[in-house]
Amino acid sequence: DVKVTQSSRYLVKRTGEKVFLECVQDMDHENMFWYRQDPGLGLRLIYFSYDVKMKEKGDIPEGYSVSREKKERFSLILESASTNQTSMYLCASSSQFIARTGGHQPQHFGDGTRLSIL
Amino acid sequence: SQQGEEDPQALSIQEGENATMNCSYKTSINNLQWYRQNSGRGLVHLILIRSNEREKHSGRLRVTLDTSKKSSSLLITASRAADTASYFCATAYTGGFKTIFGAGTRLFVKA
Repeated sequence: DVKVTQSSRYLVKRTGEKVFLECVQDMDHENMFWYRQDPGLGLRLIYFSYDVKMKEKGDIPEGYSVSREKKERFSLILESASTNQTSMYLCASSSQFIARTGGHQPQHFGDGTRLSIL
Repeated sequence: SQQGEEDPQALSIQEGENATMNCSYKTSINNLQWYRQNSGRGLVHLILIRSNEREKHSGRLRVTLDTSKKSSSLLITASRAADTASYFCATAYTGGFKTIFGAGTRLFVKA
């Protein structure tokens, strides 16, 4: 079974701090994703990565950066945390796009990090 | 927005009843996926239906896809209290890399 592990379930930080959220997957997946989830807004994609050292902006990248130095690890960085970044953060991974089976593969999610910025 | 939209936003039923959730989307898709999320946890993939398929079953789940109406439905038969969760549709658009998630339907099954 695929396991996606996020380093913290709950995290409390202060405004202006640099915050690191870590995610590790154990299934050798090419693709990794960071989402934030807010009530009534569903999941919004922050960044994704389709290979080591590759990254693409999602829908709401402002105020965030990412790092993928190893295939199994994808880190989300809040450069200078602000209160409007208080949210649930979800990491996911998937195997590569396969055209013959309809393209995008199912994503496997971690249990999320509930981040509060005070 | 390319986001899929689920309907209803919330649904409350008795154990044993069937639950139907609907999803509408806006442009051509590669596939459509349904996910489940228990409170405070990550999403779990339930079922994937490709754009050239019309119906798919998995246990008590039945998914239909109507590409002419750009809509899908998820039916959970003989629901159980343990089915209480939020359910999300996710659409993978042709020509795009991203999978777009809707805002979800919150299902509450009363024992």
